[in-house]
Amino acid sequence: NAGVMQNPRHLVRRRGQEARLRCSPVKGHSHVYWYRQLPEEGLKFMVYLQKENIIDESGMPKERFSAEFPKEGPSILRIQQVVRGDSAAYFCASSPTGFTDTQYFGPGTRLTVL
Amino acid sequence: KQEVTQIPAALSVPEGENLVLNCSFTDSAIYNLQWFRQDPGKGLTSLLLIQSSQREQTSGRLNASLDKSSGRSTLYIAASQPGDSATYLCAVKLSSSNTGKLIFGQGTTLQVKP
Repeated sequence: NAGVMQNPRHLVRRRGQEARLRCSPVKGHSHVYWYRQLPEEGLKFMVYLQKENIIDESGMPKERFSAEFPKEGPSILRIQQVVRGDSAAYFCASSPTGFTDTQYFGPGTRLTVL
Repeated sequence: KQEVTQIPAALSVPEGENLVLNCSFTDSAIYNLQWFRQDPGKGLTSLLLIQSSQREQTSGRLNASLDKSSGRSTLYIAASQPGDSATYLCAVKLSSSNTGKLIFGQGTTLQVKP
């Protein structure tokens, strides 16, 4: 069984460009979490999605960030007009049915903003 | 607001030593607590998960304990090896959360010297 897959693994963007990060959950999992790890900091929750629905986006910055998990295809975390402070590792985790389940983490996407 | 703290931030020990990593949390109403390992540039590997009703969990040379009333957990590593060198993260899931998001500490970076 394939685990959580994230791509790209490394992404370099210049200030003002858009970054699109993709997460393919474990097959059969319909719940996806995104976390961000800033340099020298722990992981911080960003957003929790079920298929076609955003359930909790309390950790998402109010501007420039959006997430989706369509009925078909991977979950996408989109960052518009990136700034240097967006440089971080972005991790996706999936679980089968949500709250009670263990979350399985992907390898992360490391975003560098020049 | 739940806060998770890990002490020490960094630890260096000679091979073969037994060691203890500490994790404390401010809100005792947790659903479970999980210890992860993170290697440089890599994703998270789950080591041990302790449900709120449990006192400890063991896996090989690892033992994690939980004292919910005092808001503390420890990860005990016996007979440390250079391959144990990594960052260790603890994370809690709150009972009050209906989304299951994890709240992470900032981690303890462990170096085991041959």
